[in-house]
Amino acid sequence: LAKTTQPISMDSYEGQEVNITCSHNNIATNDYITWYQQFPSQGPRFIIQGYKTKVTNEVASLFIPADRKSSTLSLPRVSLSDTAVYYCLVGYILTGGGNKLTFGTGTQLKVEL
Amino acid sequence: GAVVSQHPSWVICKSGTSVKIECRSLDFQATTMFWYRQFPKQSLMLMATSNEGSKATYEQGVEKDKFLINHASLTLSTLTVTSAHPEDSSFYICSARVPGGADTEAFFGQGTRLTVV
Repeated sequence: LAKTTQPISMDSYEGQEVNITCSHNNIATNDYITWYQQFPSQGPRFIIQGYKTKVTNEVASLFIPADRKSSTLSLPRVSLSDTAVYYCLVGYILTGGGNKLTFGTGTQLKVEL
Repeated sequence: GAVVSQHPSWVICKSGTSVKIECRSLDFQATTMFWYRQFPKQSLMLMATSNEGSKATYEQGVEKDKFLINHASLTLSTLTVTSAHPEDSSFYICSARVPGGADTEAFFGQGTRLTVV
């Protein structure tokens, strides 16, 4: 499984855009990139997933360059409630749904007023 | 989206006793579920993969006789911490992926806080 590297922590202020970059130099051809958010004492929550280029949903955007060795999660106009740990994961997907996900260290995002 | 539910949300037990944690997929069938453990301020560590109708697959360093996993149906997996000790106190989380195409996401339970006293 590809190893991921993320910044340990980031600080931001309400209303700002936050970009969290993840390195995954050993990403395999079949690997997808997935980001999860985790609040204290809760299970992780899916944010976004992509394979290449750009993916956008109602909460975030995911930018993946052509070589796919890194990815950037972009959170527009963060609020205090976005304070959480954000995990970047890479892994291949089996059609039977059996692929396991391995978590890296994650990035602790702290949003202040 | 799909829902994965864990029970109990928290449990306190005495050292030496066993504790069972349930993980249910509420609106889909999961042939495979995953169990994680998370210590304070650390990342999730995969413990084992639970396979319906067969033996679980444990990650290196995880004692299969201490952490018993049973996946008896397509919607329920259980993790039993046997002869629990204070060092087993942790946050246990399960997850399941909806079977389907290549971009299906994994859903996580809310976690179970185990405290062994």
